[in-house]
Amino acid sequence: EAQVTQNPRYLITVTGKKLTVTCSQNMNHEYMSWYRQDPGLGLRQIYYSMNVEVTDKGDVPEGYKVSRKEKRNFPLILESPSPNQTSLYFCASSPQGARYGYTFGSGTRLTVV
Amino acid sequence: AQTVTQSQPEMSVQEAETVTLSCTYDTSESDYYLFWYKQPPSRQMILVIRQEAYKQQNATENRFSVNFQKAAKSFSLKISDSQLGDAAMYFCAYMAGGTSYGKLTFGQGTILTVHP
Repeated sequence: EAQVTQNPRYLITVTGKKLTVTCSQNMNHEYMSWYRQDPGLGLRQIYYSMNVEVTDKGDVPEGYKVSRKEKRNFPLILESPSPNQTSLYFCASSPQGARYGYTFGSGTRLTVV
Repeated sequence: AQTVTQSQPEMSVQEAETVTLSCTYDTSESDYYLFWYKQPPSRQMILVIRQEAYKQQNATENRFSVNFQKAAKSFSLKISDSQLGDAAMYFCAYMAGGTSYGKLTFGQGTILTVHP
């Protein structure tokens, strides 16, 4: 089944403790992206990647890191999480150009206390 | 930066009736793409319909259609014969073409309630 898989689905962590949210897609898509969803703000793009080793900032990149060493994987790293990063996170992928829209993962609910 | 505005935080419709969700966007680009996504309570994001700016014909997917008014920068979603399963949060989204491929900007969302 074609899908975007992100893990974990739920995560509670403490301020300052480094964490990684994994994302993997099995559709050989070139584009991958991370979003955060907050009430009243919709989804905001954190980072996106056009292919292996090619990434660019979205609208809210502060406090996040990404890497794209393999085409199928695009992990999101929070090196020192803070409570304002408590949010619902989505990973997504798309074929060349992303003009056909992204396919989204199931989301990760992150709580930073 | 491009902005996408959904001015209706909540909408409701009776089952089998028609409802229209509004979306406006701000851009100086001529090449861009517009999308509507549905997010049911399961929180999964599902692509409903897409529109390419250079196409004058409005996109249609079964009961879902759009009214794309390029000059007015308006992109509304019409849901016909509404069903209980249409109840969800709906997001409008914009992506410029060219060197901005991949950068997707969402509106704030509209919660749609469907009454039996």
